[in-house]
Amino acid sequence: ETGVTQTPRHLVMGMTNKKSLKCEQHLGHNAMYWYKQSAKKPLELMFVYSLEERVENNSVPSRFSPECPNSSHLFLHLHTLQPEDSALYLCASSRQNTDTQYFGPGTRLTVL
Amino acid sequence: AQSVTQLDSHVSVSEGTPVLLRCNYSSSYSPSLFWYVQHPNKGLQLLLKYTSAATLVKGINGFEAEFKKSETSFHLTKPSAHMSDAAEYFCVGGPPRGSSNTGKLIFGQGTTLQVKP
Repeated sequence: ETGVTQTPRHLVMGMTNKKSLKCEQHLGHNAMYWYKQSAKKPLELMFVYSLEERVENNSVPSRFSPECPNSSHLFLHLHTLQPEDSALYLCASSRQNTDTQYFGPGTRLTVL
Repeated sequence: AQSVTQLDSHVSVSEGTPVLLRCNYSSSYSPSLFWYVQHPNKGLQLLLKYTSAATLVKGINGFEAEFKKSETSFHLTKPSAHMSDAAEYFCVGGPPRGSSNTGKLIFGQGTTLQVKP
């Protein structure tokens, strides 16, 4: 256990659904991240939050909407996704946004 | 610009034999470097990290890596493989401590380690 939890672990949704992924860290860190891991591709950084403020948005489509209500929680709101969005979505946290990142177990998302 | 290249997409060893997973980096500055391991359907677990203190870095589960600036390499080694070491391994580059390059880790393509009985 790394101190970073993600729910749900698996999610199947249709293209018209709206769902949210949740990440929680119990490490007292100030920075949190969303990554996308697709088959046969390197991990892609999606969003970075530092002290609850978004500091990085890596050209992610607007159908992905992050939310960081406090330094311990991070959400990824999903709507009108495409089948190519099916992937493992990983959350990570770090003490500061240049420190070592600790990853959660991921949410396996399938878009039908 | 920084880049990380893992030289082997797949490595197969027998249990009890040494493991070598190769990683080269390219960076205009002295980077932070990490090795992470990912077991099936799990998140990434930090094995070890280099942050310019000692060039030989010891990690968990008997793994270690040596930062060689002259060769721009950060290869991961273990003297004796266990069946439980079978997983995907990622070499990762990061900004030096104190930089303003927020959270931008550069991931290698990954190396799948197979351990045969």
